[in-house]
Amino acid sequence: AQSVTQLDSQVPVFEEAPVELRCNYSSSVSVYLFWYVQYPNQGLQLLLKYLSGSTLVESINGFEAEFNKSQTSFHLRKPSVHISDTAEYFCAVKPGYSTLTFGKGTMLLVSP
Amino acid sequence: DTGVSQDPRHKITKRGQNVTFRCDPISEHNRLYWYRQTLGQGPEFLTYFQNEAQLEKSRLLSDRFSAERPKGSFSTLEIQRTEQGDSAMYLCASSPRGTPSTDTQYFGPGTRLTVL
Repeated sequence: AQSVTQLDSQVPVFEEAPVELRCNYSSSVSVYLFWYVQYPNQGLQLLLKYLSGSTLVESINGFEAEFNKSQTSFHLRKPSVHISDTAEYFCAVKPGYSTLTFGKGTMLLVSP
Repeated sequence: DTGVSQDPRHKITKRGQNVTFRCDPISEHNRLYWYRQTLGQGPEFLTYFQNEAQLEKSRLLSDRFSAERPKGSFSTLEIQRTEQGDSAMYLCASSPRGTPSTDTQYFGPGTRLTVL
């Protein structure tokens, strides 16, 4: 079985400040890693994913995440956040042909 | 591409009643998933179809829950004899043909169920 831990339920940050949303996972097998974002009143959207290759993956809107196998982490970062980044962010793992296992989510609150 | 749609968006029912939700996946997506999300939690997997075949069911899917995808297109999720603990957001996702291990799932807006 696998599990995902997102320690921070809420992260408040000022606009243009950097942010890191933490994700740690546990699995007895290799996994693929995902970050999904849920904007207010919208469905979940894929933000970025790590399948193989470079451990640093980027999204089109400036987020990046780095897969660290030794620390079993996949933290999400952005050097400068915008008000529009306010949303709930979910980390998820997928061991091969099994299904997605999500963390509890982290609410990113960006204020002016 | 209109995205994954779910109907209804909200459902309020009394304990003991049956409810049915519908999910229309993205056209030509052959895989379809149901998840449940309760307040303060991430989505939890319920069941998964490839075409019309139900390939996997979670232990969360009690015998009061049944899901179908009769023609490999839309899917329905029925909950019989609803309980207050069934109150949650029910999410549907679909993914395209390809390698299932690495597929990207596209989520619908969800159906929020409230059981009184």
